[in-house]
Amino acid sequence: QKEVEQNSGPLSVPEGAIASLNCTYSDRGSQSFFWYRQYSGKSPELIMSIYSNGDKEDGRFTAQLNKASQYVSLLIRDSQPSDSATYLCAVRTGGGSYIPTFGRGTSLIVHP
Amino acid sequence: ETGVTQTPRHLVMGMTNKKSLKCEQHLGHNAMYWYKQSAKKPLELMFVYNFKEQTENNSVPSRFSPECPNSSHLFLHLHTLQPEDSALYLCASSQDVAGREGPQYFGPGTRLTVL
Repeated sequence: QKEVEQNSGPLSVPEGAIASLNCTYSDRGSQSFFWYRQYSGKSPELIMSIYSNGDKEDGRFTAQLNKASQYVSLLIRDSQPSDSATYLCAVRTGGGSYIPTFGRGTSLIVHP
Repeated sequence: ETGVTQTPRHLVMGMTNKKSLKCEQHLGHNAMYWYKQSAKKPLELMFVYNFKEQTENNSVPSRFSPECPNSSHLFLHLHTLQPEDSALYLCASSQDVAGREGPQYFGPGTRLTVL
């Protein structure tokens, strides 16, 4: 059973701070990793994709992947109230399975 | 986001009705998915199609019937639904090639209410 674990939160951070969201996965063969943002009542929106160990930066967002420790994280710098949402971690194992595994999501609240 | 479109956006139906949800992707992707998301619950994968062939049916009741006529279009036919089927139904697509499975891009969803 492939599992993706996220702390459900809520994670509360002040405006301007760094928000750190973490995700662990059970399948060591996992190859593709994604972070999505989902506002209440809306569909998930892709924020970042990461495939190799290390950091990947895109604007205020940085994804960090450590395959040896089986975790992937998302850092949000200079957090804004508009970043308040649920963040979903998704993992794909490759091999043509076509079945992604999503975590349950972490609720982030950025307060002014 | 206009890459994946879904219609209708809102649907109210009785338990004896038959309706269909439509999804279209304009991204040239080869895989399409149906998900169900109930209030305050995680995403539930329902069906997966790759090159219009169904590759996954995640123990979904037969009152939900998918159809994928080509790689760009996906339907979910609904009949004799129950009130507990009320949820947000999401369509997604992805481009998967050997050695690299891409991210999924989601449509805006159909908010379904079963009376």
